[in-house]
Amino acid sequence: DTAVSQTPKYLVTQMGNDKSIKCEQNLGHDTMYWYKQDSKKFLKIMFSYNNKELIINETVPNRFSPKSPDKAHLNLHINSLELGDSAVYFCASSQRQGPYEKLFFGSGTQLSVL
Amino acid sequence: DQQVKQNSPSLSVQEGRISILNCDYTNSMFDYFLWYKKYPAEGPTFLISISSIKDKNEDGRFTVFLNKSAKHLSLHIVPSQPGDSAVYFCAAREVDAGGTSYGKLTFGQGTILTVHP
Repeated sequence: DTAVSQTPKYLVTQMGNDKSIKCEQNLGHDTMYWYKQDSKKFLKIMFSYNNKELIINETVPNRFSPKSPDKAHLNLHINSLELGDSAVYFCASSQRQGPYEKLFFGSGTQLSVL
Repeated sequence: DQQVKQNSPSLSVQEGRISILNCDYTNSMFDYFLWYKKYPAEGPTFLISISSIKDKNEDGRFTVFLNKSAKHLSLHIVPSQPGDSAVYFCAAREVDAGGTSYGKLTFGQGTILTVHP
């Protein structure tokens, strides 16, 4: 009974294609995130949604579009995939844990663009 | 411009000894610091945190120390166990000028800890 689940786990595709990664959380959290782990291993935030409202939108190309149909889901759609998009993408959700937010991560989607 | 850095890519220790993982940061607007642990093919999981107004927080075998003047924190694991072998990420939470947090965490690049039996 996975708390934060994302699909697919692996995604191999050609340059120029459009692809989506889905994320669902069953923790009842209000906030969900997309993080990208680049080739240098840094985890960088891309987007954050709170109650389906976009609250964090880092400097990400317009080709990346998050969509939150409800509080429990945050999907990531990527248009016109480029080689540099190859990375591991992590979905996460959070709740306020006292004075700070505790993030719960999915197991990641490894995207390879050929 | 990486605001959180873990300059040791890897650390190897013997079971039972102390593991010390280090993290440096540059942004003075960070108000909370967290450590996450990651096993292969899994997402990071929360380990321990510390507020910027404290200098130490302990939870069982894990202790985090914060030196705010040096903008440095460290995670101590005593005693280290083989099951602690994982990638450890340091993360920092940023607040805006009004003190509001949107849950944005800035992560370091991780340190691979290997604990040998």
